[in-house]
Amino acid sequence: GIQVEQSPPDLILQEGANSTLRCNFSDSVNNLQWFHQNPWGQLINLFYIPSGTKQNGRLSATTVATERYSLLYISSSQTTDSGVYFCAVSGGGADGLTFGKGTHLIIQP
Amino acid sequence: ETGVTQSPTHLIKTRGQQVTLRCSSQSGHNTVSWYQQALGQGPQFIFQYYREEENGRGNFPPRFSGLQFPNYSSELNVNALELDDSALYLCASSLDGNPYFGPGTRLLVL
Repeated sequence: GIQVEQSPPDLILQEGANSTLRCNFSDSVNNLQWFHQNPWGQLINLFYIPSGTKQNGRLSATTVATERYSLLYISSSQTTDSGVYFCAVSGGGADGLTFGKGTHLIIQP
Repeated sequence: ETGVTQSPTHLIKTRGQQVTLRCSSQSGHNTVSWYQQALGQGPQFIFQYYREEENGRGNFPPRFSGLQFPNYSSELNVNALELDDSALYLCASSLDGNPYFGPGTRLLVL
Protein backbone atom coordinates (compact mmCIF):
# COMPACT_ATOMS: atom_id res chain seq x y z
CA GLY A 1 0.00 0.00 0.00
CA ILE A 2 0.88 3.67 -0.16
CA GLN A 3 3.34 4.89 2.48
CA VAL A 4 3.02 8.38 3.96
CA GLU A 5 5.83 10.12 5.84
CA GLN A 6 5.41 13.41 7.65
CA SER A 7 8.09 15.70 8.99
CA PRO A 8 8.98 17.01 11.42
CA PRO A 9 7.28 14.76 14.01
CA ASP A 10 7.29 17.55 16.61
CA LEU A 11 7.52 21.32 16.30
CA ILE A 12 7.53 23.94 19.05
CA LEU A 13 7.21 27.59 18.01
CA GLN A 14 6.50 30.96 19.52
CA GLU A 15 3.28 32.75 18.69
CA GLY A 16 3.69 34.74 15.47
CA ALA A 17 6.20 32.39 13.88
CA ASN A 18 5.77 30.72 10.49
CA SER A 19 6.08 26.99 9.87
CA THR A 20 6.26 24.47 7.05
CA LEU A 21 5.06 20.89 7.44
CA ARG A 22 6.00 18.26 4.86
CA CYS A 23 4.27 15.12 3.61
CA ASN A 24 5.98 12.59 1.32
CA PHE A 25 4.05 9.73 -0.27
CA SER A 26 5.28 6.65 -2.04
CA ASP A 27 2.93 6.30 -5.02
CA SER A 28 0.61 8.31 -7.24
CA VAL A 29 -2.56 9.44 -5.51
CA ASN A 30 -5.84 10.95 -6.60
CA ASN A 31 -6.72 12.32 -3.17
CA LEU A 32 -4.53 14.18 -0.70
CA GLN A 33 -5.88 15.97 2.33
CA TRP A 34 -4.52 17.88 5.29
CA PHE A 35 -6.30 17.65 8.63
CA HIS A 36 -5.89 19.33 12.01
CA GLN A 37 -6.73 17.21 15.05
CA ASN A 38 -7.53 19.22 18.16
CA PRO A 39 -6.72 18.01 21.69
CA TRP A 40 -10.21 16.46 21.99
CA GLY A 41 -9.65 14.26 18.92
CA GLN A 42 -11.78 16.11 16.38
CA LEU A 43 -10.33 15.96 12.86
CA ILE A 44 -10.94 19.10 10.85
CA ASN A 45 -10.48 19.21 7.08
CA LEU A 46 -8.00 21.89 6.10
CA PHE A 47 -7.37 21.23 2.43
CA TYR A 48 -8.33 18.79 -0.29
CA ILE A 49 -5.28 19.19 -2.52
CA PRO A 50 -4.20 16.30 -4.80
CA SER A 51 -2.24 18.84 -6.85
CA GLY A 52 -1.60 22.57 -7.07
CA THR A 53 -1.76 25.31 -4.46
CA LYS A 54 -4.57 26.52 -2.22
CA GLN A 55 -4.82 29.19 0.44
CA ASN A 56 -7.25 29.70 3.28
CA GLY A 57 -6.43 32.65 5.51
CA ARG A 58 -3.13 32.07 7.29
CA LEU A 59 -2.88 28.53 5.94
CA SER A 60 -1.80 27.45 2.51
CA ALA A 61 -0.82 24.15 0.92
CA THR A 62 1.05 23.01 -2.14
CA THR A 63 1.15 19.53 -3.63
CA VAL A 64 3.67 18.54 -6.30
CA ALA A 65 2.13 15.27 -7.44
CA THR A 66 4.93 14.41 -9.88
CA GLU A 67 7.48 14.56 -7.04
CA ARG A 68 5.12 12.96 -4.49
CA TYR A 69 5.15 15.56 -1.76
CA SER A 70 2.91 18.17 -0.22
CA LEU A 71 3.66 21.14 2.03
CA LEU A 72 1.42 22.87 4.55
CA TYR A 73 2.34 26.44 5.46
CA ILE A 74 1.13 28.16 8.61
CA SER A 75 1.87 31.86 8.90
CA SER A 76 1.66 34.10 11.97
CA SER A 77 0.97 31.11 14.26
CA GLN A 78 -1.56 31.43 17.06
CA THR A 79 -1.90 29.26 20.17
CA THR A 80 -5.12 27.85 18.73
CA ASP A 81 -3.07 26.34 15.88
CA SER A 82 -1.63 23.83 18.36
CA GLY A 83 -2.51 20.20 17.78
CA VAL A 84 -1.58 17.40 15.42
CA TYR A 85 -1.54 17.94 11.67
CA PHE A 86 -2.14 14.90 9.50
CA CYS A 87 -1.58 14.33 5.82
CA ALA A 88 -3.74 11.59 4.31
CA VAL A 89 -3.77 10.13 0.81
CA SER A 90 -5.81 7.71 -1.24
CA GLY A 91 -5.23 5.91 -4.50
CA GLY A 92 -8.90 6.16 -5.37
CA GLY A 93 -12.12 4.20 -5.29
CA ALA A 94 -12.93 2.60 -1.95
CA ASP A 95 -9.31 2.45 -0.75
CA GLY A 96 -9.88 4.66 2.24
CA LEU A 97 -7.37 7.25 3.39
CA THR A 98 -3.84 6.33 4.46
CA PHE A 99 -2.66 8.72 7.15
CA GLY A 100 0.84 9.70 8.11
CA LYS A 101 1.90 9.70 11.76
CA GLY A 102 1.32 13.43 12.00
CA THR A 103 3.25 16.53 13.07
CA HIS A 104 2.61 17.57 16.66
CA LEU A 105 2.66 21.38 16.70
CA ILE A 106 2.86 23.39 19.92
CA ILE A 107 2.52 27.18 19.71
CA GLN A 108 3.70 28.90 22.88
CA PRO A 109 2.40 32.36 23.85
CA GLU B 1 -18.95 21.38 13.48
CA THR B 2 -18.87 18.77 10.72
CA GLY B 3 -22.49 17.60 11.01
CA VAL B 4 -21.31 14.08 11.88
CA THR B 5 -22.11 12.75 15.35
CA GLN B 6 -20.96 9.63 17.18
CA SER B 7 -22.12 7.80 20.27
CA PRO B 8 -21.14 7.04 22.90
CA THR B 9 -18.26 9.46 23.50
CA HIS B 10 -16.48 7.06 25.86
CA LEU B 11 -16.84 3.36 26.57
CA ILE B 12 -15.14 0.82 28.82
CA LYS B 13 -15.38 -2.89 28.00
CA THR B 14 -13.76 -6.12 29.17
CA ARG B 15 -11.65 -8.39 26.97
CA GLY B 16 -13.86 -10.89 25.11
CA GLN B 17 -16.96 -8.69 25.13
CA GLN B 18 -18.71 -7.23 22.08
CA VAL B 19 -19.26 -3.53 21.36
CA THR B 20 -21.39 -1.46 18.97
CA LEU B 21 -20.43 2.11 18.09
CA ARG B 22 -22.81 4.42 16.25
CA CYS B 23 -22.42 7.23 13.76
CA SER B 24 -24.90 9.66 12.27
CA SER B 25 -23.76 11.07 8.95
CA GLN B 26 -24.54 14.34 7.27
CA SER B 27 -27.86 14.16 5.44
CA GLY B 28 -27.39 13.04 1.86
CA HIS B 29 -23.92 11.56 2.41
CA ASN B 30 -24.10 8.09 0.89
CA THR B 31 -20.62 6.95 1.93
CA VAL B 32 -19.41 6.28 5.45
CA SER B 33 -16.00 5.04 6.51
CA TRP B 34 -14.60 3.99 9.88
CA TYR B 35 -11.10 4.47 11.24
CA GLN B 36 -9.21 3.26 14.31
CA GLN B 37 -6.68 5.62 15.90
CA ALA B 38 -4.35 4.17 18.51
CA LEU B 39 -2.64 6.54 20.92
CA GLY B 40 0.09 8.57 19.21
CA GLN B 41 -0.69 7.18 15.74
CA GLY B 42 -2.56 8.31 12.67
CA PRO B 43 -6.02 6.89 11.98
CA GLN B 44 -6.14 3.52 10.19
CA PHE B 45 -8.86 2.67 7.67
CA ILE B 46 -11.17 -0.14 8.83
CA PHE B 47 -13.83 -0.23 6.11
CA GLN B 48 -16.16 1.82 3.95
CA TYR B 49 -19.86 1.51 3.15
CA TYR B 50 -21.56 2.92 0.08
CA ARG B 51 -25.33 2.75 -0.20
CA GLU B 52 -25.51 0.15 2.58
CA GLU B 53 -22.91 -2.20 1.05
CA GLU B 54 -19.31 -2.64 2.19
CA ASN B 55 -17.12 -1.64 -0.77
CA GLY B 56 -13.68 -1.29 0.77
CA ARG B 57 -11.79 -2.76 3.70
CA GLY B 58 -8.45 -2.18 5.36
CA ASN B 59 -6.27 -4.70 7.16
CA PHE B 60 -8.71 -5.59 9.94
CA PRO B 61 -10.02 -9.05 10.87
CA PRO B 62 -13.64 -10.16 10.28
CA ARG B 63 -14.56 -9.56 13.94
CA PHE B 64 -14.77 -5.91 12.87
CA SER B 65 -18.06 -5.55 11.00
CA GLY B 66 -20.45 -2.78 10.13
CA LEU B 67 -23.84 -1.71 8.92
CA GLN B 68 -25.10 1.34 7.09
CA PHE B 69 -28.78 2.29 7.22
CA PRO B 70 -30.97 4.25 4.78
CA ASN B 71 -31.31 7.12 7.26
CA TYR B 72 -27.54 7.93 6.95
CA SER B 73 -26.66 6.28 10.25
CA SER B 74 -24.14 3.48 10.59
CA GLU B 75 -22.67 1.06 13.13
CA LEU B 76 -19.28 -0.46 13.82
CA ASN B 77 -19.41 -3.78 15.65
CA VAL B 78 -16.38 -5.41 17.23
CA ASN B 79 -16.62 -8.96 18.59
CA ALA B 80 -14.28 -10.75 20.99
CA LEU B 81 -12.60 -7.53 22.13
CA GLU B 82 -8.84 -7.57 22.66
CA LEU B 83 -6.72 -5.21 24.73
CA ASP B 84 -5.21 -3.78 21.52
CA ASP B 85 -8.67 -2.67 20.38
CA SER B 86 -8.38 0.20 22.86
CA ALA B 87 -8.39 3.29 20.63
CA LEU B 88 -10.30 6.28 19.32
CA TYR B 89 -12.80 5.16 16.67
CA LEU B 90 -13.70 7.75 14.06
CA CYS B 91 -16.39 7.69 11.44
CA ALA B 92 -16.41 9.91 8.38
CA SER B 93 -19.19 10.61 5.93
CA SER B 94 -18.82 11.91 2.40
CA LEU B 95 -20.75 12.56 -0.76
CA ASP B 96 -18.04 13.56 -3.21
CA GLY B 97 -15.00 11.83 -1.75
CA ASN B 98 -14.24 14.63 0.72
CA PRO B 99 -14.74 13.05 4.20
CA TYR B 100 -16.12 14.87 7.23
CA PHE B 101 -15.14 13.25 10.51
CA GLY B 102 -17.16 12.82 13.67
CA PRO B 103 -15.71 13.54 17.14
CA GLY B 104 -14.96 9.87 17.77
CA THR B 105 -15.66 7.27 20.44
CA ARG B 106 -12.88 6.43 22.90
CA LEU B 107 -12.93 2.71 23.68
CA LEU B 108 -10.95 1.24 26.55
CA VAL B 109 -10.68 -2.54 26.79
CA LEU B 110 -9.62 -3.90 30.18
